[in-house]
Amino acid sequence: KQEVTQIPAALSVPEGENLVLNCSFTDSAIYNLQWFRQDPGKGLTSLLLIQSSQREQTSGRLNASLDKSSGRSTLYIAASQPGDSATYLCAVQYGNKLVFGAGTILRVKS
Amino acid sequence: GAVVSQHPSWVICKSGTSVKIECRSLDFQATTMFWYRQFPKQSLMLMATSNEGSKATYEQGVEKDKFLINHASLTLSTLTVTSAHPEDSSFYICSASLTGRYSGNTIYFGEGSWLTVV
Repeated sequence: KQEVTQIPAALSVPEGENLVLNCSFTDSAIYNLQWFRQDPGKGLTSLLLIQSSQREQTSGRLNASLDKSSGRSTLYIAASQPGDSATYLCAVQYGNKLVFGAGTILRVKS
Repeated sequence: GAVVSQHPSWVICKSGTSVKIECRSLDFQATTMFWYRQFPKQSLMLMATSNEGSKATYEQGVEKDKFLINHASLTLSTLTVTSAHPEDSSFYICSASLTGRYSGNTIYFGEGSWLTVV
């Protein structure tokens, strides 16, 4: 069964800290892996997409890595800001289906 | 880039009534669309895969007679929640798959629809 697990479930940090969100998946035959942000009451915002052949992707203060063989991905957020507070979802694409993790609720305190 | 539009964004309906949610691919043809549901503080769960011109494939535990999915054209899929009950209150979101030589196999999400059944 294809499962995606995210750790931690929730995280509260002071502004300015660097932080790491973890995602693991059971089936390594992925097409790609994507990190999303979801604000309360809102839809999904795609942050980074890593193809199965890639090792990492960067966008601004965000960096996502992928280790397909070990079934892991990390999302690194540098110099966190209160505006980064949201739920972060990891989604693994198999064929044309996405399997989502339960998400990490991030709160950045000012 | 490709856009998927979902309507309505918010809907409140009375218990026992039916409500329809539309998912449109605005600038591409989507042979496959997906419907997800998200309960409060939980992740998105795939409900069904909708293929144009054929019956939808439902995930285990999803009642096909309650959640009617129609994919009549390459740009439109609809989800109808029949005889809605308060426990059906949830966030419903669709996605469309764009497969092509240059696009690979890319999935685009709609904005989502918040359903509240009172």
